[in-house]
Amino acid sequence: RKEVEQDPGPFNVPEGATVAFNCTYSNSASQSFFWYRQDCRKEPKLLMSVYSSGNEDGRFTAQLNRASQYISLLIRDSKLSDSATYLCVVKRDTGRRALTFGSGTRLQVQP
Amino acid sequence: EAGVVQSPRYKIIEKKQPVAFWCNPISGHNTLYWYRQNLGQGPELLIRYENEEAVDDSQLPKDRFSAERLKGVDSTLKIQPAELGDSAVYLCASSLGWLQETQYFGPGTRLLVL
Repeated sequence: RKEVEQDPGPFNVPEGATVAFNCTYSNSASQSFFWYRQDCRKEPKLLMSVYSSGNEDGRFTAQLNRASQYISLLIRDSKLSDSATYLCVVKRDTGRRALTFGSGTRLQVQP
Repeated sequence: EAGVVQSPRYKIIEKKQPVAFWCNPISGHNTLYWYRQNLGQGPELLIRYENEEAVDDSQLPKDRFSAERLKGVDSTLKIQPAELGDSAVYLCASSLGWLQETQYFGPGTRLLVL
């Protein structure tokens, strides 16, 4: 089993739609969680961190469920510019193999 | 402020040849990461440096891969000899420190091994 798993998609949604992605992780010792965005043939960029209480940044909401070991990303009012691959990242503060990226979920927002 | 710089951007070599990638992190960033990203996959961490010390190289294939960050600033990743399966994008990233949340990635080096 992969340490971090994501549905690869693609998720094809119309502009203005709400879309949600989940990411599951297997190591219960994981401490920090992030969503990164990667445009086609570009480098990943931090979208947002994920806090235990959940957090929101504009149209983006991230949530963490430690009991079930998953994190989620909700995008409201999708824009064409949201089309990208969304990478889930799980981190432990100490130890080896402490940082793992998921394979990513591809989102395509259509006009 | 300049971002993470990587060179070359593209490299095509024949199998069994050596290849090297260079990375200059953002000024003042103590933590440097090398990743490999295969098509359709997320980045896989190869090695992490805290200043000049390699603190996590558990996923670096040590039989053919090597890395160095001699003065705790720029870094080089080498493959010798390259194999067909090494074709990938090699990404370098940096952060202020390991506990700092944000990693800043360079544009990557696209390697094709023929």
